[in-house]
Amino acid sequence: DAGVIQSPRHEVTEMGQEVTLRCKPISGHDYLFWYRQTMMRGLELLIYFNNNVPIDDSGMPEDRFSAKMPNASFSTLKIQPSEPRDSAVYFCASRPDWETQYFGPGTRLLVL
Amino acid sequence: QQQVKQSPQSLIVQKGGISIINCAYENTAFDYFPWYQQFPGKGPALLIAIRPDVSEKKEGRFTISFNKSAKQFSLHIMDSQPGDSATYFCAARAGSARQLTFGSGTQLTVLP
Repeated sequence: DAGVIQSPRHEVTEMGQEVTLRCKPISGHDYLFWYRQTMMRGLELLIYFNNNVPIDDSGMPEDRFSAKMPNASFSTLKIQPSEPRDSAVYFCASRPDWETQYFGPGTRLLVL
Repeated sequence: QQQVKQSPQSLIVQKGGISIINCAYENTAFDYFPWYQQFPGKGPALLIAIRPDVSEKKEGRFTISFNKSAKQFSLHIMDSQPGDSATYFCAARAGSARQLTFGSGTQLTVLP
């Protein structure tokens, strides 16, 4: 298995632009998580899905952030409009029920 | 009550020495305690995990010690090597929940 796949790996954009981050979880994993990592705040859980259904989005910082999981093999995290304080590394992770959580390589986002 | 407190924030150890990272929690419902290792530019990867029915788990040079009454657990890295230099995160999960609660991370540097 290729593991969790994220794209793009790096994204540089200007303030106000829309940013879309993509994730392909490991096949057969029922849970998908989106995290944000910064030096100041560490690893923050933004939202997670179970069987494509959003379960807890309490970590989504504000309405500018949205996430979707249209099918079991694809999820997106969208930021619109983006701001410089959104600069961070965004990780997607997936997990079968009750078992180990596997992280993707991350998307490094820089908003100028 | 959901927090996991991790210390120290950074740790410098000589090659061959023992690295010790500590975590404490309050939520007695936590029943799964993994440690993740993260190298620069990579996503966190599971290193070792323990459940509270045992007090210690060892895998190679890595050992988790668990003290249920004190609500503390720690990671010991024996014979630390420069290749162990990374950021280490402790985490915890309650059986009723689906998300991990992460500690703030410890940046370990092993000097050659």
